[in-house]
Amino acid sequence: DAGVTQSPTHLIKTRGQQVTLRCSPKSGHDTVSWYQQALGQGPQFIFQYYEEEERQRGNFPDRFSGHQFPNYSSELNVNALLLGDSALYLCASSPRLAAYNEQFFGPGTRLTVL
Amino acid sequence: GENVEQHPSTLSVQEGDSAVIKCTYSDSASNYFPWYKQELGKGPQLIIDIRSNVGEKKDQRIAVTLNKTAKHFSLHITETQPEDSAVYFCASNSGNTPLVFGKGTRLSVIA
Repeated sequence: DAGVTQSPTHLIKTRGQQVTLRCSPKSGHDTVSWYQQALGQGPQFIFQYYEEEERQRGNFPDRFSGHQFPNYSSELNVNALLLGDSALYLCASSPRLAAYNEQFFGPGTRLTVL
Repeated sequence: GENVEQHPSTLSVQEGDSAVIKCTYSDSASNYFPWYKQELGKGPQLIIDIRSNVGEKKDQRIAVTLNKTAKHFSLHITETQPEDSAVYFCASNSGNTPLVFGKGTRLSVIA
């Protein structure tokens, strides 16, 4: 079992650009959540996808959007990048909607905005 | 909304000693309290969790205690080993709400 995989590992962008991050959930999981982890901070919930729809959302602006595909993989899109968007972006999968006590995290994508 | 405070932010212990990390939460409805370990270059990994109907839970060298009245819970690691060095996060939630994490504790175990 490959667990949760994320790509790319690292990414460097400039202010104003757009970025897409990708996540493949653990085998048997159909729900994907995205978190932002700033340096020296704990993960902050961005949103959760289930059945290709956004089901729950944290306190993040509309610049952050996502998508889930029929194979349960997911993308996180961030538009109009700001310096403050620099962070580790974590994807977590779980076997059902809102199963936060059963989620597995991927290794993350390190985004640097210059 | 829920707020989780975690202390200390850094902790150094000698190999073989015990380490204790403490967290407080604000939402009295919170009923699930996990602890995660994050090693360099990896995502958080669940190491132990406790629910509000239990006061203490132990798994080998790791234990978690919960005091619902005081709204705090703690992680205890006994007989620490160098491989325990990592960043540890506490979190909490209630029902189907997303987890709220603390800011983390960087534990260094000195051989």
